[in-house]
Amino acid sequence: QQPVQSPQAVILREGEDAVINCSSSKALYSVHWYRQKHGEAPVFLMILLKGGEQKGHEKISASFNEKKQQSSLYLTASQLSYSGTYFCGTEGSNDYKLSFGAGTTVTVRA
Amino acid sequence: NAGVTQTPKFQVLKTGQSMTLQCAQDMNHEYMSWYRQDPGMGLRLIHYSVGAGITDQGEVPNGYNVSRSTTEDFPLRLLSAAPSQTSVYFCASSRADRGYEQYFGPGTRLTVT
Repeated sequence: QQPVQSPQAVILREGEDAVINCSSSKALYSVHWYRQKHGEAPVFLMILLKGGEQKGHEKISASFNEKKQQSSLYLTASQLSYSGTYFCGTEGSNDYKLSFGAGTTVTVRA
Repeated sequence: NAGVTQTPKFQVLKTGQSMTLQCAQDMNHEYMSWYRQDPGMGLRLIHYSVGAGITDQGEVPNGYNVSRSTTEDFPLRLLSAAPSQTSVYFCASSRADRGYEQYFGPGTRLTVT
């Protein structure tokens, strides 16, 4: 079952902040975040694991509330390069499927 | 390392034709998967494999078959193409079954007329 992302789209000016939310109806083992530029493949941003471990890089951060089965991605001091579609992916505690949300399109303008 | 490779990059099929989308990885990853991407739908899991000889269905498996005879290759077969299978197909791989970064191939854009 696919997780639900919100908002569907957001428009920012350089330097502004944004939050993208991801929620699931099932118990989660991990939450993944990826960014996709137009016409390209998704690129890994970070993983948040049950128990609190976080693996990722860059200036983008995220949180994972295991009890609520929710995750949020924080875009801080946005740059033009942050534009793209962001996808969250969730792995269940009892399965091996990585299911993705419908995506959030982020547009950063100068 | 080439990473994850997919062939072809583009393909046009007529309704009822069959074909195989190729996917290969050279990172010795155990986990491989196929997704289709349609506008507004995100990435939907078709089939996945946790190792050679082991495959399972994802969210939208109907009309597709897979096999995993080697660690490196994970082909996706369309049995009888339909216009509803027009999409961009991505193959992905990762180190283990859960909790690791997915590496995506460049995608195959398929049009069924």
